[in-house]
Amino acid sequence: DAGVIQSPRHEVTEMGQEVTLRCKPISGHDYLFWYRQTMMRGLELLIYFNNNVPIDDSGMPEDRFSAKMPNASFSTLKIQPSEPRDSAVYFCASRLAGGPYNEQFFGPGTRLTVL
Amino acid sequence: AQSVAQPEDQVNVAEGNPLTVKCTYSVSGNPYLFWYVQYPNRGLQFLLKYITGDNLVKGSYGFEAEFNKSQTSFHLKKPSALVSDSALYFCAVLSGGYNKLIFGAGTRLAVHP
Repeated sequence: DAGVIQSPRHEVTEMGQEVTLRCKPISGHDYLFWYRQTMMRGLELLIYFNNNVPIDDSGMPEDRFSAKMPNASFSTLKIQPSEPRDSAVYFCASRLAGGPYNEQFFGPGTRLTVL
Repeated sequence: AQSVAQPEDQVNVAEGNPLTVKCTYSVSGNPYLFWYVQYPNRGLQFLLKYITGDNLVKGSYGFEAEFNKSQTSFHLKKPSALVSDSALYFCAVLSGGYNKLIFGAGTRLAVHP
């Protein structure tokens, strides 16, 4: 298995532009998580899905952020419009159902820089 | 609310010496605890977890962790450090109906030759 795949790996954009981050979870995994990592705030959970349905989006910072999971093998995190404070590394993770104790598998991350 | 604390920003250890990375937790109910490692420019990798049972949990790459209920701690240990162990280590606890991982701030481990 290729693991969790994220694209792009790096994104540089200007303030006000729309940014779309993509994630392909491990096949067969029922849960998908989006995290943001910054020096100031560490690792934060933004939103998670179960069977393609958003379960908890309480970590999404503002209405500028939205996430979708149209099918079991694809999810997007969109920021519109982007701001410099959105600069961070965004991780996608997935895990099997069958118990919350199952470990999460993380993708390599997308490093977003908003100028 | 569930939380974990990693009191050390950085731990320095000489290669071949034992290492300990500290983690304390605060939970209501049973604690479900995890350790992850992050190498530069990579995603997090699972090392080990405590769910129930033996207080000493063995994980990947020779790491182990000791669960101590009375001290509410879950310290990560390795008997003999390698330079390649140098990385960022995160302790985490399950929360939110046991579907959300709450991470500590991370501890940077530096192993010197």
